[in-house]
Amino acid sequence: DQQVKQNSPSLSVQEGRISILNCDYTNSMFDYFLWYKKYPAEGPTFLISISSIKDKNEDGRFTVFLNKSAKHLSLHIVPSQPGDSAVYFCAASANYGQNFVFGPGTRLSVLP
Amino acid sequence: DSGVTQTPKHLITATGQRVTLRCSPRSGDLSVYWYQQSLDQGLQFLIQYYNGEERAKGNILERFSAQQFPDLHSELNLSSLELGDSALYFCASSGPEKETQYFGPGTRLLVL
Repeated sequence: DQQVKQNSPSLSVQEGRISILNCDYTNSMFDYFLWYKKYPAEGPTFLISISSIKDKNEDGRFTVFLNKSAKHLSLHIVPSQPGDSAVYFCAASANYGQNFVFGPGTRLSVLP
Repeated sequence: DSGVTQTPKHLITATGQRVTLRCSPRSGDLSVYWYQQSLDQGLQFLIQYYNGEERAKGNILERFSAQQFPDLHSELNLSSLELGDSALYFCASSGPEKETQYFGPGTRLLVL
């Protein structure tokens, strides 16, 4: 049973436009969420996080939105740049930082 | 550079064999996590150690075991290897706040 889902395996966006990556979860006990970016041959790198007491968190070009009632979060990248091309993982935890459950990832391609 | 190191980078071995993967966490981080990423799959949490003690277990097979040593480095032991164990194995560490995990570059294991 996949507790964290990223239903789009891939996404292509034009440079300068907005990229929206989606993530759905099933466990209502999850209270902390993160997004990671992964380039080939490298480990995932932390991008941005949000706790369940918030519905939005912003860091530069990256914004994460959380809709607890829908059990849905999304990552917005504005404007998208070619260097953003990577696989993006959504992760969730029910114990604020323990036992993270990762989604399968979405491969983002930003086209010049 | 996340500050987390993993050795070896690549490992090729045969079915039935045993291997040991090594991880050194970021300086000062007490928590170490191990993940497996099979082809086109998300990150599967295997096990977590905190200051030498097992803290949480995920989808770790009985053929796999891990430990964290007094100097906080960790080893993941994989035995009776099967073809399906071929994957990327990531180690991550986190500090006392556990707000995020910092990943190493991974060890690519190929079982022939």
